[in-house]
Amino acid sequence: GQNIDQPTEMTATEGAIVQINCTYQTSGFNGLFWYQQHAGEAPTFLSYNVLDGLEEKGRFSSFLSRSKGYSYLLLKELQMKDSASYLCAVTDSNYQLIWGAGTKLIIKP
Amino acid sequence: IAGITQAPTSQILAAGRRMTLRCTQDMRHNAMYWYRQDLGLGLRLIHYSNTAGTTGKGEVPDGYSVSRANTDDFPLTLASAVPSQTSVYFCASSDRATTDTQYFGPGTRLTVL
Repeated sequence: GQNIDQPTEMTATEGAIVQINCTYQTSGFNGLFWYQQHAGEAPTFLSYNVLDGLEEKGRFSSFLSRSKGYSYLLLKELQMKDSASYLCAVTDSNYQLIWGAGTKLIIKP
Repeated sequence: IAGITQAPTSQILAAGRRMTLRCTQDMRHNAMYWYRQDLGLGLRLIHYSNTAGTTGKGEVPDGYSVSRANTDDFPLTLASAVPSQTSVYFCASSDRATTDTQYFGPGTRLTVL
């Protein structure tokens, strides 16, 4: 079956760095997305990786290793507004998006 | 530009009633999707449409139906609601039904009693 694993919850301190991991087992691979979802709101797009390596976008970076079925989202200089759930999703061989359950990130002052 | 709108924002529904959730996008995207999101679970695809006039079943289609008469609208119908359909429903769209980014509507919170 298809599976995406992420930690359920993480806690970090304002101003620090946090890494949220995502491992996947899917039938084929056509890209990996990270979305941010604040409580009670819709998911919003953060990043997309289809080739191995690091994609940097401001305070957020996303890394992909296709051979290991692994990605991480790196958040630097954490701000209180970064408190949210972070969703990992993989596009499989049928171009269906398979979603992880999300990681709830709690930022403490 | 509104992006994607959904209606209603929330609804309480008696079991056995019929309900249609509305979704409209103004981005001229070809593909549209309906997801449900339940606590502790990832987003689960109910139905999708790769282009106007076509629809397909997702991971959890039972009890739901959709239509795609034009590019902009993608309504989701619950023919006879059951309590297990209590969830938050998100509509999304993407330019193409491949690896393009999906953009989400604000969601509809549905409670079936």
